Amino acid sequence: DAGITQSPRYKITETGRQVTLMCHQTWSHSYMFWYRQDLGHGLRLIYYSAAADITDKGEVPDGYVVSRSKTENFPLTLESATRSQTSVYFCASSRDRGYNEQFFGPGTRLTVL
Amino acid sequence: RKEVEQDPGPFNVPEGATVAFNCTYSNSASQSFFWYRQDCRKEPKLLMSVYSSGNEDGRFTAQLNRASQYISLLIRDSKLSDSATYLCVVNGPQGSGNTPLVFGKGTRLSVIA
Repeated sequence: DAGITQSPRYKITETGRQVTLMCHQTWSHSYMFWYRQDLGHGLRLIYYSAAADITDKGEVPDGYVVSRSKTENFPLTLESATRSQTSVYFCASSRDRGYNEQFFGPGTRLTVL
Repeated sequence: RKEVEQDPGPFNVPEGATVAFNCTYSNSASQSFFWYRQDCRKEPKLLMSVYSSGNEDGRFTAQLNRASQYISLLIRDSKLSDSATYLCVVNGPQGSGNTPLVFGKGTRLSVIA
């Protein structure tokens, strides 16, 4: 039972590079989410998706792009990474309504130099 | 008023103590309430949902007060393994650009031998 996985777990990149963080879930949950977590800010929602091909912005979407061609995958792309995007990124999923409890992946620690 | 507010702590308590955390929320229409636990450098994990009538799971008791818009978590007979950050979670306002679940910044608990 893999649940929800993220890759890579750690990533170091340089300013201006494109980076894609992967998220995969095996529960067939409808909803998937991307958060970033920084000291002093807690978890902030970047984007979420209610189903394949349906995505919506969260609190801090600027500089990020998402897609959801398959229910089980929800990649997050930083088109041109900036130092301010250094953070821990968590993917999460929930069944049915977006207000159900969410289950989190192990996170990706991203450092932008 | 912030959507979800928690005392950041830290709460330092001896083993065996009882400790309580409170959390206030601003959206009077909220219907979903949760407590999550997050260990250092790990993903948040669902601890328990919070129901209108209150609910208990072993040493953990959650209460909801809709009139005052706060929820609480009581931990009895604290164990060293309870040391973590506890996140209060409430569903946010509906609509595009809004966060389905709003996470508090967390209350840090350290249980000391």
